[in-house]
Amino acid sequence: QSALTQPASVSGSPGQSITISCTERSSDVGSYNSESWYVSWYRQDSGRAPQLIIFDVNNRPSGVSDRFSGSQSGNTASLTISGLQAEDEADYYCTSYSSSTTYWVFGGGTKLTVL
Amino acid sequence: EVHLEQSGAEVKKAGESLRISCKGSGYTFSTYWIAWVRQRPGKGLEWMGIIYPGDSDTTYSPSFQGRVIISVDKSTSTAYLQWDSLKASDTAIYFCARRGVRGVPYFDFWGQGTLVTVSS
Repeated sequence: QSALTQPASVSGSPGQSITISCTERSSDVGSYNSESWYVSWYRQDSGRAPQLIIFDVNNRPSGVSDRFSGSQSGNTASLTISGLQAEDEADYYCTSYSSSTTYWVFGGGTKLTVL
Repeated sequence: EVHLEQSGAEVKKAGESLRISCKGSGYTFSTYWIAWVRQRPGKGLEWMGIIYPGDSDTTYSPSFQGRVIISVDKSTSTAYLQWDSLKASDTAIYFCARRGVRGVPYFDFWGQGTLVTVSS
């Protein structure tokens, strides 16, 4: 079974860029395979339902600002928010889907504070 | 417009049973997977399981297998999450979410959440 590790919190000032990492650690030695590991990112405002912001590494649903971008290298995926705005304050979650296990795992979430 | 409408908040006692619902509208319900996600107070999201309304094919997270039952009624475009015997630790907000088109590995629409409070 895999686990996804995110920093508990990140912060930045308006206009700056921040990056949130999401590292996959599988308990199955040798099972990691980037071709079968699919990461997406969600934003959750307090008390609200999560919202999809990045899928397929670096694709955004319509309506999501192009200040949000994603990347992936090996067993680590990253979400970058550029030109930080106060409205970006929220919790951010990565999730991975494994085609070998056919289920999803969420990261622990990262609280973004805009200073 | 795609919409997932969840049933209202519930207050239960430990040992009681419960079923909450998620009704889909604005799309062909039977052709999109529906997942359930738990969020305990002040905690992160946990994927519980997923069901395909077309044939009720269901996959559970190992953490929730045997603890909950996910089902669906295609005729009413409604997915369900149920417990036979609630525990205080089941207190949480439960979200349903639609898996994207053609079974892509992400969730594009979410319900508003159902708060379940279980007292011991």
